[in-house]
Amino acid sequence: QKEVEQDPGPLSVPEGAIVSLNCTYSNSAFQYFMWYRQYSRKGPELLMYTYSSGNKEDGRFTAQVDKSSKYISLFIRDSQPSDSATYLCAMSEVAAGNKLTFGGGTRVLVKP
Amino acid sequence: DGGITQSPKYLFRKEGQNVTLSCEQNLNHDAMYWYRQDPGQGLRLIYYSQIVNDFQKGDIAEGYSVSREKKESFPLTVTSAQKNPTAFYLCATSDARSGANVLTFGAGSRLTVL
Repeated sequence: QKEVEQDPGPLSVPEGAIVSLNCTYSNSAFQYFMWYRQYSRKGPELLMYTYSSGNKEDGRFTAQVDKSSKYISLFIRDSQPSDSATYLCAMSEVAAGNKLTFGGGTRVLVKP
Repeated sequence: DGGITQSPKYLFRKEGQNVTLSCEQNLNHDAMYWYRQDPGQGLRLIYYSQIVNDFQKGDIAEGYSVSREKKESFPLTVTSAQKNPTAFYLCATSDARSGANVLTFGAGSRLTVL
């Protein structure tokens, strides 16, 4: 079993819909939780990160962490065709040198 | 124009050949990383370096080698010992002062073994 699980998709939604992405993990010591966006044949870019539990909002993006369930989510409101990409979750444990463990990524397609 | 430059973008290799992927950064970040990405498997850490002249093996270091002679440069050599080298290779950096270890990635190099 992988340490971080992420549904590979593809997840297809109409433009304007809410995109809901999630990751589950097994290591309860993870403290930092990140979401990266990766366009085809490009390197990932950081969308946002959170420390420990709670919510964080940045424009159309909201990240949630539920440490009791070992579950994190990313919501994209008012989705646009430009949001079509692969979304990777990543998490780290400070005591382990903050080495990042990545999920496999979810491919999202927003149709006009 | 600050960032990370990876070259070449595409590379073809015959079996038995060593190839070197270049990674140069002008972000003044101390730490540099090499990841391998295969479809559906996420990013796997090959090697990382936190200071010049020092580097550590990641989770899948076998068949790879690196050097860190300058802060700006962290080349990766894929040797003939790597049994399945066809993949997308990503170089990344991080600022040691950042508590979250946020990575900044290059655009990647795609290696194909013929």
